Amino acid sequence: QKEVEQNSGPLSVPEGAIASLNCTYSDRGSQSFFWYRQYSGKSPELIMFIYSNGDKEDGRFTAQLNKASQYVSLLIRDSQPSDSATYLCAVWIQGAQKLVFGQGTRLTINP
Amino acid sequence: DAGITQSPRHKVTETGTPVTLRCHQTENHRYMYWYRQDPGHGLRLIHYSYGVKDTDKGEVSDGYSVSRSKTEDFLLTLESATSSQTSVYFCAISGKPGTSGSGDTQYFGPGTRLTVL
Repeated sequence: QKEVEQNSGPLSVPEGAIASLNCTYSDRGSQSFFWYRQYSGKSPELIMFIYSNGDKEDGRFTAQLNKASQYVSLLIRDSQPSDSATYLCAVWIQGAQKLVFGQGTRLTINP
Repeated sequence: DAGITQSPRHKVTETGTPVTLRCHQTENHRYMYWYRQDPGHGLRLIHYSYGVKDTDKGEVSDGYSVSRSKTEDFLLTLESATSSQTSVYFCAISGKPGTSGSGDTQYFGPGTRLTVL
């Protein structure tokens, strides 16, 4: 089982709709969770982090964490073409002191 | 902007030659990391540093060495480059002064695209 798993996509969403990106992880002791956005040919950019169960909102972005189900998600409301990118989920593995990344989900917002 | 630069940004080299990539940061972060990103493999940790002269291996460290003689610089060396080391290399930093000092919240540099012929 991979430590962090994401659906690779591509995920296609119409402009203005909600894009939902999902991530599962295997380490039950994990406490810190991150979402990065990566445009083609660019470096990963940190857009959200979440430590506690529940929702965390920042503008059009909402991160959701459910530790019991070992599940993290990212919702993007009012999706824009500029949101088209690959989204990477990352989980901090406390015991190993390392950040483990999923493979990423490629998101396309269609005008 | 976390104040990270990488040099060179692009490099083409031949098999068997040594290559050194540089990561430079301006904000005195404690931790520095080298990752490589390849299609189908995602981001994988090569080496990391938790302080000056303090380094450790990541999951794909074979064929790579690192050095950190100053807080601001972290060097990645390919002693004898091979075609399998063709990749995009990213440096990341974490542990900003005045924070809890954890390595979890990482910020990435712009990357170096390395091609080994």
